[in-house]
Amino acid sequence: DSGVTQTPKHLITATGQRVTLRCSPRSGDLSVYWYQQSLDQGLQFLIQYYNGEERAKGNILERFSAQQFPDLHSELNLSSLELGDSALYFCASSGGQGAVYGYTFGSGTRLTVV
Amino acid sequence: TQLLEQSPQFLSIQEGENLTVYCNSSSVFSSLQWYRQEPGEGPVLLVTVVTGGEVKKLKRLTFQFGDARKDSSLHITAAQPGDTGLYLCAGGDGGSNTGKLIFGQGTTLQVKP
Repeated sequence: DSGVTQTPKHLITATGQRVTLRCSPRSGDLSVYWYQQSLDQGLQFLIQYYNGEERAKGNILERFSAQQFPDLHSELNLSSLELGDSALYFCASSGGQGAVYGYTFGSGTRLTVV
Repeated sequence: TQLLEQSPQFLSIQEGENLTVYCNSSSVFSSLQWYRQEPGEGPVLLVTVVTGGEVKKLKRLTFQFGDARKDSSLHITAAQPGDTGLYLCAGGDGGSNTGKLIFGQGTTLQVKP
């Protein structure tokens, strides 16, 4: 157990639907990062939150949104889902500067859009 | 846009062989990290290097950060089946002060007994 909890582990949904992925960071970590991993794109940075505020944005589609709550858990909302959104979605957390001290990743949510 | 290119993409070797994985970029990174990922799991941090020319050893794994902080290598001595997995390098986007990491595409290593 890495200390980062992601739910659900698997999700199968139809095109056009909306889903919410949840992440609880490691205890004490203030930063949460969301990444999408697909076979052809590798790990792509989506968005980062630090202590409830958005800190950095990557290649996140307008159909996707995220937030971090006062208890530091984070949710990634994916709407109007398309077949191409099928991927592994990872949440990671870090204490200080993630680029220096490294990330702790969750086990991911495997999203399949049919 | 900062990019990290890893080579080779795939590597299949026999137990006991040595190997090196490379991670290259035209951009300077504030730090370079290596992760290992197994199927169905998230990446796990192996090491962080922050100083140009830095070398770190973790048992049979040796990590090096290039002098110009644009590249890195991972060398495994006497590979074992337990080393099988996806190896990812990740560069710290120091210019943005966000802690964001940019990942390479990964190197899939298979070590046969």
